[in-house]
Amino acid sequence: GEDVEQSLFLSVREGDSSVINCTYTDSSSTYLYWYKQEPGAGLQLLTYIFSNMDMKQDQRLTVLLNKKDKHLSLRIADTQTGDSAIYFCAESHYNAGNNRKLIWGLGTSLAVNP
Amino acid sequence: KAGVTQTPRYLIKTRGQQVTLSCSPISGHRSVSWYQQTPGQGLQFLFEYFSETQRNKGNFPGRFSGRQFSNSRSEMNVSTLELGDSALYLCASSPRLAGGVNYNEQFFGPGTRLTVL
Repeated sequence: GEDVEQSLFLSVREGDSSVINCTYTDSSSTYLYWYKQEPGAGLQLLTYIFSNMDMKQDQRLTVLLNKKDKHLSLRIADTQTGDSAIYFCAESHYNAGNNRKLIWGLGTSLAVNP
Repeated sequence: KAGVTQTPRYLIKTRGQQVTLSCSPISGHRSVSWYQQTPGQGLQFLFEYFSETQRNKGNFPGRFSGRQFSNSRSEMNVSTLELGDSALYLCASSPRLAGGVNYNEQFFGPGTRLTVL
């Protein structure tokens, strides 16, 4: 089956680190993604990781992948109020005709308190 | 470069009506994908068009259809609207077929908020 799960809410204080977790079921996933959605704006791709990697760092963002447990996390260091948004985890999944489609989690709403 | 634009941004329709949404991709992008976003179901893939042909589709009924024009602009049509069609409809463009391998070149528009009464 195809399923991506993430916790719905996370609240942190400004300056702390945020960790958003995601689990997925498709062991054939090749890429896993993190997107950010702010009110009134479209989805913005934050970062992605190839399934043969276990970590990727990009400035304040660190992605950790545990392929055995099918667990993905996004760590935001020094979280700022501008990081308040909904964060989506997504995996690419084989669709009919050898195409792929993205399977999405329901999103984690991150609230950053000053 | 201008981003992905979607029109209209907001739409209110009644049950049984039909609706057409429009998406203009980033200049030079040939692929347009459509997604439905609702609080309960999250983001669901509708279909992808590339070079005026539907290349990939999700699990939606035939009431949902689309097309792509020679300038890569795309339209999505929903006929016989139901209350459950109320959602944010997002389109995304990419230079290549997004459903091929990697989605890291895919950029999203701001969406059209459809309310069905």
